[in-house]
Amino acid sequence: ETGVTQSPTHLIKTRGQQVTLRCSSQSGHNTVSWYQQALGQGPQFIFQYYREEENGRGNFPPRFSGLQFPNYSSELNVNALELDDSALYLCASSFSALNNSPLHFGNGTRLTVT
Amino acid sequence: KQEVTQIPAALSVPEGENLVLNCSFTDSAIYNLQWFRQDPGKGLTSLLLIQSSQREQTSGRLNASLDKSSGRSTLYIAASQPGDSATYLCATGGKGAQKLVFGQGTRLTINP
Repeated sequence: ETGVTQSPTHLIKTRGQQVTLRCSSQSGHNTVSWYQQALGQGPQFIFQYYREEENGRGNFPPRFSGLQFPNYSSELNVNALELDDSALYLCASSFSALNNSPLHFGNGTRLTVT
Repeated sequence: KQEVTQIPAALSVPEGENLVLNCSFTDSAIYNLQWFRQDPGKGLTSLLLIQSSQREQTSGRLNASLDKSSGRSTLYIAASQPGDSATYLCATGGKGAQKLVFGQGTRLTINP
């Protein structure tokens, strides 16, 4: 069973640029969630995708957008990068969108904005 | 708006001790509460999930309790080992989408 994989592991971008982060969900999982974790903080919910549709969104501006593909993999896109976007971005998948379905997290992408 | 707090932010204990990590939340209308472990630079590993109708869950040396009315949860670790050193995060789940609200975590160090 392949777990959740994220790419790239590390990324350095300049303020104002755009970035795309990728996530492959665990086999058999149809739901993907994205979280942002700033240094020393707990993760914050960005949004969730279920069967290719956005299924909930946290308090993040529209320049944070996402996609889910028919194979349930997902992308997180961030436009007009700001210094405060520097963080660990975590992807989690589950076999359903219900709250009793455990989340399986990947190891994250460390984004640094300079 | 749900707020989750974990105190202390860091804890250091000798190997072999039993210890308790604390988590409090402001809105008792939760669907479940989860405890996660995070090693440096890594993702989160789910340790225990307690449904709102449950009072506790156990896995090996770990025991998590939930008191919704007081807005508190504890994670008890028995006979601590150096391998238990990590950051421990609690998170509440509400109805609907799996929108977990996390605390800031407790960084635990077990000294040999």
